[in-house]
Amino acid sequence: GENVEQHPSTLSVQEGDSAVIKCTYSDSASNYFPWYKQELGKRPQLIIDIRSNVGEKKDQRIAVTLNKTAKHFSLHITETQPEDSAVYFCAGGGGGFKTIFGAGTRLFVKA
Amino acid sequence: NAGVTQTPKFQVLKTGQSMTLQCAQDMNHNSMYWYRQDPGMGLRLIYYSASEGTTDKGEVPNGYNVSRLNKREFSLRLESAAPSQTSVYFCASSEERLSPLHFGNGTRLTVT
Repeated sequence: GENVEQHPSTLSVQEGDSAVIKCTYSDSASNYFPWYKQELGKRPQLIIDIRSNVGEKKDQRIAVTLNKTAKHFSLHITETQPEDSAVYFCAGGGGGFKTIFGAGTRLFVKA
Repeated sequence: NAGVTQTPKFQVLKTGQSMTLQCAQDMNHNSMYWYRQDPGMGLRLIYYSASEGTTDKGEVPNGYNVSRLNKREFSLRLESAAPSQTSVYFCASSEERLSPLHFGNGTRLTVT
């Protein structure tokens, strides 16, 4: 079945630096790749998503890139701020309705 | 709009007890899902309902049953709780296949 691997599991950056989180997926049929942010004790919330017909998408300080040939996609956060500290999950969806999540990356932004 | 509402927020069960987690959405979404979240393992799909009247197994369905009561409501039942089912459970809904998931606030379940 579909498998999504996410790296790194923990990431610590200085405020103002960039952060990059990478994911790989196994199912070639996957064509929808959302990213969710989860603050401590809260529910996951969508921050950006990309579909397979697009190679890159940007929303202010957040961007996602997709390489379908290599089956990997990445989240880029520029000019990080302390409020960016959270757990970030990538996910992949392909055949059917199953959205499969990566294990998560805990991002610490040090002021 | 309340979005996705889950009850209860917290629950403690003894091994072997049963319970039902309730979920309702007011966004007129077609699809609903139950995930569990364990430390270091992300969110794993238990069951989903693509549309009213249908349910299907996800990644980790064993020990659970679901009911899509109507378009708004999707419940998750533990017939005989086990300590391995200690987790945080999230209900989610989406407008259609492979579209953004809207999560509820979660239910923290402890089985002793």
